[in-house]
Amino acid sequence: KQEVTQIPAALSVPEGENLVLNCSFTDSAIYNLQWFRQDPGKGLTSLLLIQSSQREQTSGRLNASLDKSSGRSTLYIAASQPGDSATYLCASMEYGNKLVFGAGTILRVKS
Amino acid sequence: ETGVTQTPRHLVMGMTNKKSLKCEQHLGHNAMYWYKQSAKKPLELMFVYNFKEQTENNSVPSRFSPECPNSSHLFLHLHTLQPEDSALYLCASSQGRSGNTIYFGEGSWLTVV
Repeated sequence: KQEVTQIPAALSVPEGENLVLNCSFTDSAIYNLQWFRQDPGKGLTSLLLIQSSQREQTSGRLNASLDKSSGRSTLYIAASQPGDSATYLCASMEYGNKLVFGAGTILRVKS
Repeated sequence: ETGVTQTPRHLVMGMTNKKSLKCEQHLGHNAMYWYKQSAKKPLELMFVYNFKEQTENNSVPSRFSPECPNSSHLFLHLHTLQPEDSALYLCASSQGRSGNTIYFGEGSWLTVV
């Protein structure tokens, strides 16, 4: 059974810092890995999707990498802003579009 | 207009009530999902529908009864719930069965009293 772990559970940084969120998964037989953002009391917003054949994806200040062999993905956020404060979730996708989520990293960017 | 719309956003119900959550997607997708997000637990998949057919039931108790009348609408019928069922229920949709981005709604906050 797939297990997804996210480290750290919470992170507080000053505005402008570059930061890395980590995600690990136990079963490398994944279709892809998806990163989401969740604001308090809200649903999930898809940030990046990395197919299993890809190594990384970029969108603006966000860059996500995937290393299937080691069961790891990272989300890199450049020049963090207070508006980046949210919970970041990673999820591995199994056959049938089934997502297995980690518990999330709560990010706070201080102005 | 958001791609995946859920109603109601908040619901309080007693343990003997019957209520329903509704989800509608405007993205032309053919797969829809229900996920549950409880306090201090990771999001967990409940049901998957592809082309209106249920393809996954993740050992969900029968007091939760999904219904998918067409590819754009998904319901979750609730009956005789327990306080521990209080959670955020998220609907999602995607195109196809594997490898595509999944889009989530804003969720329905359910409180069982």
